[in-house]
Parts: sequence; C-alpha cells; structure tokens
Amino acid sequence: TQLLEQSPQFLSIQEGENLTVYCNSSSVFSSLQWYRQEPGEGPVLLVTVVTGGEVKKLKRLTFQFGDARKDSSLHITAAQPGDTGLYLCAGDASGANSKLTFGKGITLSVRP
Amino acid sequence: NAGVMQNPRHLVRRRGQEARLRCSPMKGHSHVYWYRQLPEEGLKFMVYLQKENIIDESGMPKERFSAEFPKEGPSILRIQQVVRGDSAAYFCASSPLAGSEQYFGPGTRLTVT
Repeated sequence: TQLLEQSPQFLSIQEGENLTVYCNSSSVFSSLQWYRQEPGEGPVLLVTVVTGGEVKKLKRLTFQFGDARKDSSLHITAAQPGDTGLYLCAGDASGANSKLTFGKGITLSVRP
Repeated sequence: NAGVMQNPRHLVRRRGQEARLRCSPMKGHSHVYWYRQLPEEGLKFMVYLQKENIIDESGMPKERFSAEFPKEGPSILRIQQVVRGDSAAYFCASSPLAGSEQYFGPGTRLTVT
C-alpha cells in the first residue's frame, strides 16, 4: 500500500506569514497532484508535478516535486485568509492515473 | 462550461434502504472515478469506469456496492442495504483521457440513520 504522509496536520498562521507544508512517501509516484478542498465542497486541482525536481508556481504558491519523485512540498508566500482550507496531495504510482492515493490533508487557517 | 455534477448533494437513508448517487462528468470526459471520504480520513479510491466498462474496482467493498457508467446518462454508485458505516462523503471525478488529471465534483453527503 502506497501511503502519502502530509505534515503538519494542522497549521494556524497570521496573514502575511510564509509557510511550507510537506507530502512524503516511501514509494515512487509517476505524478503528484495538489488539491485544495473547502468545507462541503469537492477537491479543486491546483497543480500536477511530473518530473523529479520540478518546480511549479501558481501566484503565491510554489510546488516542488522531489528528485526521487517520492515527496513534494508546497510553499505559500505572504499567506492570506483566502488561502484557508484543506490541502491534499495525491499520487499515482501506477502511471495510469486511474487510482489516486490521497494523503489525509493539511488544514490551514490564516488569521486576518 | 459545467464542471462535474453530482446529485443529490445530501442524501439521508435509513438502515437497510438503498442509496443511489449520480455523477455527470465534465463535457468531453469519458473516464469516471468514485472516491469515498470518511470523517477524519483521507479520500479513498473506490472504482474507475469508462463508458459501459468497469476498469478498476479494487477499492469497492465486496458486498452491497456497485457502480455503472452507461452509454447514455450519468454514472451511478449504488449502495444496497445501507448501514451506519456507509455514512460518508462520496466524490466523483472525471478525466478526458486515461492518465490525465482528474477533476472532482462537489460530492454527495450520505447520512445513514
């Protein structure tokens, strides 16, 4: 069973602070996705990383895929209250993207 | 440009009843995936379907659960004789091609009383 461990589980910060959260596994993934989920809604895809060492930026969010394709990080610069939500990482070890394995998520709260 | 649609959004069933959850994929998407999210747990894969075919059902409970994606109409996840442990949020995702990114619907929250 491939497991994705996300850390920290909960994070509460002040508006304007920077933060980095992690998604780690002992397994190699052909790709990793980051999603954000708000209460009562479905996950919304933020980014997909495919190549080891890849870095992708989405406004104030920076995503990195580890060189060995076993881990990923999400860095948020100058967090805003609108960034509050549950951040999920998901990976596919098969390469067919037919069965995503999800981490339990990181609950981020950004205080005004 | 509608996204993935699921209905109902909320469903309450008594123990022993049947639950039918519907998912209409994004336009142009022929691949559908069902996931279940239990309280305090992450999303768990249940089943992957293409039109009229079940491709991977390795995450489906062996009994009471079934899924279909007919040639016409939405994908259906059916749970027979529901029990309290079936209470969860059920999410459907779709993709245009095998191996491409999955886009999720808003989910159906099933409560079994």
